[in-house]
Amino acid sequence: GAVVSQHPSWVICKSGTSVKIECRSLDFQATTMFWYRQFPKQSLMLMATSNEGSKATYEQGVEKDKFLINHASLTLSTLTVTSAHPEDSSFYICSARDLNFSEREQFFGPGTRLTVL
Amino acid sequence: GQNIDQPTEMTATEGAIVQINCTYQTSGFNGLFWYQQHAGEAPTFLSYNVLDGLEEKGRFSSFLSRSKGYSYLLLKELQMKDSASYLCAVMDSNYQLIWGAGTKLIIKP
Repeated sequence: GAVVSQHPSWVICKSGTSVKIECRSLDFQATTMFWYRQFPKQSLMLMATSNEGSKATYEQGVEKDKFLINHASLTLSTLTVTSAHPEDSSFYICSARDLNFSEREQFFGPGTRLTVL
Repeated sequence: GQNIDQPTEMTATEGAIVQINCTYQTSGFNGLFWYQQHAGEAPTFLSYNVLDGLEEKGRFSSFLSRSKGYSYLLLKELQMKDSASYLCAVMDSNYQLIWGAGTKLIIKP
């Protein structure tokens, strides 16, 4: 089956630093990737949708300059949390979809736990 | 607006049956998904319904009524490992997933 990996699995950083999270589709081409954020005891919140080679579409309330998304290839998308603050501490999950295969199936990465001190 | 409702928490006994309900109001409908999520992990796919009726897959079954905007996930022969959150998600007309807040299922021996 389709596999999506994320790196790192967890990261602890100091307030004010930037953190990059990678999302890779290992055995398929991800025409679309989604970035979610999940706070404790809450559901997934879609942050942005990115299509390979084009700018990401951000959901309302998500700061583009703070959460930089790059989807430069069909197998890799990155999310950079710039000038991280403690309130950015969360579980970040990516998912990927191959539109050439199905418009419906999304395959989830294992998530990245970010803690900002 | 778009809205998905499911109970916040449910408790059931090992070996029993539990039904988790989900009601939705979305702009368009391209199917309803159920995911299981253990604490600290990403969601894992359980089921997908796009037509009315019951889909059975082992101990888990999922039902959909599009006219009522209603679905349920039925878990039989509950095991302790079924303790998790169960997320209902609807794919809207833009093929975007709209997520419910999740139902935390607690299984007691």
